[in-house]
Amino acid sequence: SAVISQKPSRDICQRGTSLTIQCQVDSQVTMMFWYRQQPGQSLTLIATANQGSEATYESGFVIDKFPISRPNLTFSTLTVSNMSPEDSSIYLCSVALQGGNNEQFFGPGTRLTVL
Amino acid sequence: ELKVEQNPLFLSMQEGKNYTIYCNYSTTSDRLYWYRQDPGKSLESLFVLLSNGAVKQEGRLMASLDTKARLSTLHITAAVHDLSATYFCAVVDSNYQLIWGAGTKLIIKP
Repeated sequence: SAVISQKPSRDICQRGTSLTIQCQVDSQVTMMFWYRQQPGQSLTLIATANQGSEATYESGFVIDKFPISRPNLTFSTLTVSNMSPEDSSIYLCSVALQGGNNEQFFGPGTRLTVL
Repeated sequence: ELKVEQNPLFLSMQEGKNYTIYCNYSTTSDRLYWYRQDPGKSLESLFVLLSNGAVKQEGRLMASLDTKARLSTLHITAAVHDLSATYFCAVVDSNYQLIWGAGTKLIIKP
């Protein structure tokens, strides 16, 4: 398994501002993912964070709104830009271990509220 | 496009009873995962099922996979309050991404 930390754990932000969420893993991993989970809902994949190249975004998510960085194999950031109340959600990063079975391990999540 | 369907979506049951949560998926896959999520918490991996006929057990929970029927079950035996949580199944698609079910919110009453 892997130990994953996220910062901040929660935040309350004003409309129109941006928030950057950090995800740190205790070992080098190939695959890192960013998910959104709205209250009472399942998980929606935002993007796969690729080390050394641009992230791969899922349908409905764009780089201008959710820029992602992945400078190395243990760290990634997700920025939620120009926020609106509809962005209020839990944001989760996850990793899959190299040579593993695609099992994903999740960080503790960032609970974002946009006023 | 792979779709994953869980049922029931909500289950309220008494302690000591048995019940089963079902996870159906629409196209071929041989990898299925069960996760647990407590309120306000992140997801915890419970079971990884990697082949047809796979069965895994941990305490009062047992998961199985039938790839021919495209069905996995999560069986709860003699439920206890501590098992109250939301349970998700997820299936690997052809791009090696996880496709998630909607989740089953389980409430176990004393």
